Amino acid sequence: GESVGLHLPTLSVQEGDNSIINCAYSNSASDYFIWYKQESGKGPQFIIDIRSNMDKRQGQRVTVLLNKTVKHLSLQIAATQPGDSAVYFCAEKMGYSTLTFGKGTMLLVSP
Amino acid sequence: DTAVSQTPKYLVTQMGNDKSIKCEQNLGHDTMYWYKQDSKKFLKIMFSYNNKELIINETVPNRFSPKSPDKAHLNLHINSLELGDSAVYFCAASPSGAGGVGNTIYFGEGSWLTVV
Repeated sequence: GESVGLHLPTLSVQEGDNSIINCAYSNSASDYFIWYKQESGKGPQFIIDIRSNMDKRQGQRVTVLLNKTVKHLSLQIAATQPGDSAVYFCAEKMGYSTLTFGKGTMLLVSP
Repeated sequence: DTAVSQTPKYLVTQMGNDKSIKCEQNLGHDTMYWYKQDSKKFLKIMFSYNNKELIINETVPNRFSPKSPDKAHLNLHINSLELGDSAVYFCAASPSGAGGVGNTIYFGEGSWLTVV
């Protein structure tokens, strides 16, 4: 389940489970959203993006859902693997503005 | 080839010193950025350059001075380092233009700065 850790909300799951990471974004005018994965000691890595004219987009093992009514974004990871353990960030953008990042959620996957 | 590379990866220095972090991107993108990540993992934009011109300068002390000699490079120079400057600094690059598929920001691996 979810818990607030010392620094970041943390989601702990078992290998093979499906994971859902949630994000509440701030700007109702944002029109582009990205999920990033940051492994320990590395930079944020692009996972999947979605435009505001869509409510769902699928990638390989990942799905992003966008609910503009409540300004909510989620990342679903199917069959979570230990290599998915990382901090996940959602980010939002409006037009030509730069990306604004959310606070991040740590995903811990137990074998 | 690393798309966005920055050096050094680790930097430990004393208060009051001046240091630089270099960044290069081989993506051919027009826009480059510096982000700062604090101990709570919060990522915040510091600067953004488009074709060597400064377009975003968030509330950053003027001890921080970015320099873009060409559109593939964006270096960060920090004067009179303070303890609170300890953080991870990320360089990034993206195509210019509005948000959309293909306009994502690509990050370097980060530079861990520790001021003692």
